[in-house]
Amino acid sequence: GENVEQHPSTLSVQEGDSAVIKCTYSDSASNYFPWYKQELGKRPQLIIDIRSNVGEKKDQRIAVTLNKTAKHFSLHITETQPEDSAVYFCAASFITSGGGADGLTFGKGTHLIIQP
Amino acid sequence: GAVVSQHPSWVICKSGTSVKIECRSLDFQATTMFWYRQFPKQSLMLMATSNEGSKATYEQGVEKDKFLINHASLTLSTLTVTSAHPEDSSFYICSARDSLGREKLFFGSGTQLSVL
Repeated sequence: GENVEQHPSTLSVQEGDSAVIKCTYSDSASNYFPWYKQELGKRPQLIIDIRSNVGEKKDQRIAVTLNKTAKHFSLHITETQPEDSAVYFCAASFITSGGGADGLTFGKGTHLIIQP
Repeated sequence: GAVVSQHPSWVICKSGTSVKIECRSLDFQATTMFWYRQFPKQSLMLMATSNEGSKATYEQGVEKDKFLINHASLTLSTLTVTSAHPEDSSFYICSARDSLGREKLFFGSGTQLSVL
């Protein structure tokens, strides 16, 4: 089955600086890579996702890059703000023939701390 | 956007009792539901996948007789934790894939189960 490794487990950055979280996956069949932000006791919130036919995707301060050959993908957050503090999870899956994603394999999570 | 309602949000029960958790898709038809378990400060682990009208598929290491999943309609899936024990205490969360082929998965709000 799929195995997703995520680093670092904790990341502390100064407000306004950039944060980068990295993930690797093992199954070359995976072609869908979402990133989730989770606050304590709440549901994961999708913040950005990328398909394997795209190398980079950006949405305002958030970007994701994917290296399909090396099987790794990264989340980049620029101009970090205190409200960015949360646990971030990467995940890997594949898009079924019906168009929807299959069950997600999550990384272990990164606790992002934004220092004021 | 698509909404998945999950109930109850928290439950406390005595050891040996059974607990039922419901997930409903409110404005779309969920052909597939995924059930995850999340222990404190850990990642989400896929427990099982259920397709409407058929038996659930369980991940390795998940006891199907202990975690009963029913997906009898396109808008409702239930997870019953039978004969719950303290080690079953966890955050349980569902996610749904709709019949329209949208790649994104929609998460319920989660259920915090505490077994005394």
